[in-house]
Amino acid sequence: SQELEQSPQSLIVQEGKNLTINCTSSKTLYGLYWYKQKYGEGLIFLMMLQKGGEEKSHEKITAKLDEKKQQSSLHITASQPSHAGIYLCGAVPNTGGFKTIFGAGTRLFVKA
Amino acid sequence: NAGVTQTPKFQVLKTGQSMTLQCAQDMNHNSMYWYRQDPGMGLRLIYYSASEGTTDKGEVPNGYNVSRLNKREFSLRLESAAPSQTSVYFCASSELGAEYGYTFGSGTRLTVV
Repeated sequence: SQELEQSPQSLIVQEGKNLTINCTSSKTLYGLYWYKQKYGEGLIFLMMLQKGGEEKSHEKITAKLDEKKQQSSLHITASQPSHAGIYLCGAVPNTGGFKTIFGAGTRLFVKA
Repeated sequence: NAGVTQTPKFQVLKTGQSMTLQCAQDMNHNSMYWYRQDPGMGLRLIYYSASEGTTDKGEVPNGYNVSRLNKREFSLRLESAAPSQTSVYFCASSELGAEYGYTFGSGTRLTVV
């Protein structure tokens, strides 16, 4: 079965600094989601990547899927306190699928 | 536009008690899901409903039942709660299948003592 490993598990950064979160799949991905979860709240969809080498941005957050479609990175530029939360990657199931596998998440803390 | 609404937001149960978690969406989505979130384990799929009238097991269905009451509502029932079911439960919906992303509710924090 497919597994997603996220690193690091948690991250503390100073406001204004850049950071990167990684998501590695045990199998080639059909596609990958990135979600953000504010502490104590539900998940918010950030973006979905499907093509090898694809890169997307959402405000100051950029995510990229590698050419082999087994690894994705999420990069935040000039972090702000509003970026704090849990970032989760999820493996997009094949067309018509319903079972998304999620990584365990990366907890991001931003110090003002 | 409320999106996905879950009730209750918090609940404490005694071992052996039963309860139903309610979920409703107003986006006319076909598919609905129940996930649980535990520390260090991410989200795990309990049950899903691909469309009105169908339900299927996910990764961790034991101890739970679901009902797709209509297109809007998808409930999760714990018949005899156990401490291992202490978790945060999320309901989600998607237009059809999961490849276009989910809309999540804000969660129900359940503690079983």
